[in-house]
Amino acid sequence: QSALTQPPSASGSPGQSVTISCTGAGSDVGAYNYVSWYQQYPGKAPRLMIYEVSKRPSGVPNRFSGSKSGNTASLTVSGLQAEDEADYYCSSFAGIDNFILFGGGTKLTVL
Amino acid sequence: QVQLVESGGGVVQPGGSLRLSCAASGLTFSNFGMHWVRQAPGEGLEWVAFIQFAGTESDKYYADSVKGRFTISRDNSKNTLYLQMNSLRAEDTAVYYCAKDQPNSGWSIDYWGQGTLVAVSS
Repeated sequence: QSALTQPPSASGSPGQSVTISCTGAGSDVGAYNYVSWYQQYPGKAPRLMIYEVSKRPSGVPNRFSGSKSGNTASLTVSGLQAEDEADYYCSSFAGIDNFILFGGGTKLTVL
Repeated sequence: QVQLVESGGGVVQPGGSLRLSCAASGLTFSNFGMHWVRQAPGEGLEWVAFIQFAGTESDKYYADSVKGRFTISRDNSKNTLYLQMNSLRAEDTAVYYCAKDQPNSGWSIDYWGQGTLVAVSS
């Protein structure tokens, strides 16, 4: 099973909004509302930012939001801050045979 | 607070074996499913395996890339998760993260260890 498809990079200026896409298939992203997003700083473990497409764990700023349309999920970061510069990964449940797929990751740069 | 501490990484020759451990604290370990996720140097995340809280064979799931070579297990009496890795290949070189499943959340991961590096090289 192929990984989910993310753009390798995204960027925006402080205060702007940026959206990162995550494209899968009808057997994973399109089939389940089980898309998660993770933030990772270099040399650090990932951090859960969004789960079940659009839910935010406690402690995650409401500047982070998630959505899904068909086989594509999206993470939007509003009011960009310098600390948002990191790698972002999407994941999706893909059924019992493939279980969990990750995207290739998107490096977000705050200009 | 929840802490996950991996150990057992190191350098191993192709075809060799290694067993990773993950000591969990700050949670009722037996109540949660657990994952292993790996990240090759400079690459993205790759899910490796999942074990449900009971740990029976039917509660274990593997990525195709490791199926038949890796075995996930747990000892709830020791609050410890394991990953037995056999027939290791160069492409298994990665940082391996132990990670806790967030219940009823579509298999999202809410806690991660700091990772342990496995290098497969002759």
